[in-house]
This record gives sequence, structure tokens and C-alpha cells, in this order.
Amino acid sequence: EVQLVESGGGLVQPGRSLRLSCAASGFTFNNYAMHWVRQAPGKGLEWVSGISWNSDTIGYADSVKGRFTISKDNAKNSLYLQMNSLRADDTALYYCAKDFMGSSWSYFDYWGQGTLVTVSS
Amino acid sequence: QSALTQPASVSGSPGQSITISCTGTSSDVGSYNLVSWYQQYPGKAPKLMIYEGNKRPSGVSNRFSGSRSGNTASLTISGLQAEDEADYYCCSYAGSSTFVFGGGTKLTVL
Repeated sequence: EVQLVESGGGLVQPGRSLRLSCAASGFTFNNYAMHWVRQAPGKGLEWVSGISWNSDTIGYADSVKGRFTISKDNAKNSLYLQMNSLRADDTALYYCAKDFMGSSWSYFDYWGQGTLVTVSS
Repeated sequence: QSALTQPASVSGSPGQSITISCTGTSSDVGSYNLVSWYQQYPGKAPKLMIYEGNKRPSGVSNRFSGSRSGNTASLTISGLQAEDEADYYCCSYAGSSTFVFGGGTKLTVL
């Protein structure tokens, strides 16, 4: 059974940093691309960032480019999102999602339950 | 990276069919056969319902179907049931290693 468990969320002040983690199990993690998708309270889904199976291909939404860094540790079956210079509009539930593909990107076939990030002074 | 356009809400009675549209551009929906649809209940994670425009994952009811024409994709739910009441989101690959979601549609079963 595929499981994705996010952690690392919490309350953080504007301008500070936070690192999210996603622990994966139930599939061969190093064969698949992975993504972060967020959802602000009461709002819709927003794709944040994605990384290919071997980390060769990385993409970011314009809203986080230059502030967030995605990474993948295949030895630890883990996905990360380093978030710097956090702003109030980064407040959201952050989901980890598995891509159906490895090198090319397609769609999100499994999702975690999310970790909540609140940016506030 | 502008969001795809979906109606904010749609409604239908049990047994009826409804269609949710998802309008993008020639840079996303119109360029790639990589439109997917997700169902989300309140407080729950999204669930994949349709991928590559018109394919259903194993376990998803055949009452759900998808299509794409030009820059617009559509999700149709036939034989509407109370359990279909949820939020629905479309998503498309948008090139340059990016994706874009629609704003979401709240489906109400009357």
C-alpha cells in the first residue's frame, strides 16, 4: 500500500524558514517523480514544485521560485521542501504527491494527508 | 502560470448528468494530453478520478468520464449520486516542468 506522510509544518514568522519532509513507502520511491501541492485555507489546489526520479528535472511555480527548494533522497525514501523567506500567502496545507511517471511528468496518483504551514507574526 | 478556469459551482439532482468545464490555453490544456481531474471531500486529500484526459484509474466508477477539445477539458458525471457531492479540480501539465490547477468546482447534489 502506497503511503505518503508529510511532516515539518507549523507556525513560523514571516521571513523565516521551514523544511517539510515526506516519508514514502509501499512503492519503489527512486523510480518516480514527486511533487508538492498546497491548499490555502478555504482555497483551491496550487502546484508548488516537482522533481524527477533522479532529481535531474526540477520545476517550481512562479509564486515560490527563488524561495523554495525541492529535493529527493532516494536512499531514505524521502522528499523535502526547503521554504525560505516565507510570506503570509504561503500559509497552506502542503501535500506530497506521487507522479505516475519517473522522468517525464504526468499526473498525481497518490497523495499524503498534508502538513499545515502557518506564516504569521 | 495562470490558473485554469472552472465554474465555481455546479449542481444536479440524483440520477442526472453534469459536466464541469476546464478552460486553459494553447500552452497547457491545448498542448498536452495530460489533463487530470481530482475529487476532494472537505478535510480530505484529493483523489485522482481521470488522467490523460479520459482514462479512469482502477476503482473509479465508470459514471465518471473525461474529454478534451482544443483548450477546454471536461469532466462528466452521469447518474449523479449523493456521494458525488465534493470539490473537483482539473490540472494540466503546462510545459517547462510545471503544472497548473483549475480554481475548483463545488458540486452540489440537490
